[in-house]
Amino acid sequence: IAGITQAPTSQILAAGRRMTLRCTQDMRHNAMYWYRQDLGLGLRLIHYSNTAGTTGKGEVPDGYSVSRANTDDFPLTLASAVPSQTSVYFCASSDSSGGPHDTQYFGPGTRLTVL
Amino acid sequence: GQNIDQPTEMTATEGAIVQINCTYQTSGFNGLFWYQQHAGEAPTFLSYNVLDGLEEKGRFSSFLSRSKGYSYLLLKELQMKDSASYLCAVMDSNYQLIWGAGTKLIIKP
Repeated sequence: IAGITQAPTSQILAAGRRMTLRCTQDMRHNAMYWYRQDLGLGLRLIHYSNTAGTTGKGEVPDGYSVSRANTDDFPLTLASAVPSQTSVYFCASSDSSGGPHDTQYFGPGTRLTVL
Repeated sequence: GQNIDQPTEMTATEGAIVQINCTYQTSGFNGLFWYQQHAGEAPTFLSYNVLDGLEEKGRFSSFLSRSKGYSYLLLKELQMKDSASYLCAVMDSNYQLIWGAGTKLIIKP
């Protein structure tokens, strides 16, 4: 049982470079999410997708883009990385489209450092 | 604005009981979640409350009072493996999860 996988596990990136974080789930969940987690702060939603073909902006979307071409994959792209994007990034999925009792299940995370 | 408050850190003794509190102010309420997160790992789901009262699940229980904007997670018979951060999250009127910063629980032998 794979659940949700993320790649890479960690990455060091030069500022100004483009980077795509990959997320794949095999649970056939409709909804997927990208969060960043910084020390002392709660998880903050970057972008989400309630179903394949649709995406939405979360709390901190600037500098990030996403696409949802199919149910399983939800890549997150940093077009031009900046040091403030240094963080741990978690992908999550849930089996409904954001309704009540919509438990989210998390991938293992990507630790990104932008220098 | 929306706000979730929980203590930054707590310490407890192996075998004891600990209560982790969470207070919230959100635009709407569609349930409250507790997650456990071990250092360097992903959050994992522990419990969900949408109605007032206590939900018990083994050594862990979660309580909700919607009128007070308050929840707690109760951990009994503490084990060393319970050392982790515990995250409180509320689903708002837009069905988005608003997360607290987490409570780091340290268990001492």
